[in-house]
Amino acid sequence: QLVLTQSPSASASLGASVKLTCTLSSGHSSHAIAWHQQLPEKGPRYLMRLNNDGSHTKGDGIPDRFSGSSSGAERYLTISSLQSEDEADYYCQTWDTGNVVFGGGTKLTVL
Amino acid sequence: ELQLVESGGGLVQPGGSLRLSCAASGFTFSSYAMSWVRQAPGKGLEWVSTISPSAGTTYYADSVKGRFTISRDNSKNTLYLQMSSLRAEDTAIYYCAKQALWGQGTLVTVSS
Repeated sequence: QLVLTQSPSASASLGASVKLTCTLSSGHSSHAIAWHQQLPEKGPRYLMRLNNDGSHTKGDGIPDRFSGSSSGAERYLTISSLQSEDEADYYCQTWDTGNVVFGGGTKLTVL
Repeated sequence: ELQLVESGGGLVQPGGSLRLSCAASGFTFSSYAMSWVRQAPGKGLEWVSTISPSAGTTYYADSVKGRFTISRDNSKNTLYLQMSSLRAEDTAIYYCAKQALWGQGTLVTVSS
């Protein structure tokens, strides 16, 4: 079964970097994923598509501070030079034929 | 400008029906698969349904299969979600989405 696992919460200091993790279920480590950001009381915003080789394609207007990487079944979103406006929920998403799966989301707090 | 604009949400009684619409602009609508994703209050994102570019293939989450119908009119650049036999647990913001683009959402509340 295709499942994405994310830690419920993460925190980091203003100006620091943070690395969020999304883990693919067993047998699905070659899947590409997408990362989405959801600011408080707002709709989701597409950040990037991240492939299993670590290559990624960002959405229009996404700052260079946002980057992605991969290792095995793990997919990462790194945000550098954290700003207060990065405080948000971050969701990973993947897909199979006839099925789309979201991770449970990680709530990022900027200290 | 790339844009998806949902409409049609509102308050409906349990067992009732509602049709959501999503107007697309700024891209070739007929070239893309389109999806509906929902978010219950205080919860995460849940995929609801996807339709192929030509509308020849549709997919549904088990939670809505047999109750919801996704469709599209490529001549009107519009995506639809017909919802019937609505339940309290269908209460959510419903988002229209394509690869790399989200709408702003429309709120559906199922309550008596």
